Amino acid sequence: QQPVQSPQAVILREGEDAVINCSSSKALYSVHWYRQKHGEAPVFLMILLKGGEQKGHEKISASFNEKKQQSSLYLTASQLSYSGTYFCGTENEEPLGGGADGLTFGKGTHLIIQP
Amino acid sequence: DAGVIQSPRHEVTEMGQEVTLRCKPISGHNSLFWYRQTMMRGLELLIYFNNNVPIDDSGMPEDRFSAKMPNASFSTLKIQPSEPRDSAVYFCASSPRAGVYEQYFGPGTRLTVT
Repeated sequence: QQPVQSPQAVILREGEDAVINCSSSKALYSVHWYRQKHGEAPVFLMILLKGGEQKGHEKISASFNEKKQQSSLYLTASQLSYSGTYFCGTENEEPLGGGADGLTFGKGTHLIIQP
Repeated sequence: DAGVIQSPRHEVTEMGQEVTLRCKPISGHNSLFWYRQTMMRGLELLIYFNNNVPIDDSGMPEDRFSAKMPNASFSTLKIQPSEPRDSAVYFCASSPRAGVYEQYFGPGTRLTVT
């Protein structure tokens, strides 16, 4: 089932913070975060595996609460380059057979950063 | 590394015609995915392969869609016959071996069926 992202869109001034949420109605094994700029392909940001870990990437970090079946992406001191659509992709089970698994993506959160 | 390569980048065809989309994954990656993106439905997984073997094709919308991966460096997604509702951006993505799961997306093929 498709994860639900919120908010659908957010407009910020440069330097402000944002939180994007992703929730699932099913148990999660992993949550992946991607950013897509208009007319381009999605670009991988980070992956969080079952275990509730938190990861960071420059001023972008994320958390994963497997009990609540939720993940949140945190963007601090946002920059103009952060503009785009953010997608969470989920896996419900650990991939078998030594390979990766297909992701079910949310509908995305549109982030607009204004100078 | 050249990244995931897709061709063509744009395709305009008439309803009823056959369409073939092509993908070359990153060398050494053992998983390949086909996604479709539309405004209405977002980014949907169509099918994926591990070690050239189709694992899950439950996302393929109809029998008009088929995908093959004859070897580790090439995959095709075919639509026959095409319909206007197939218009979308089709992405191919590849992923490295087990233990590293990030997916690298190709630039996509924008398909327009008139």
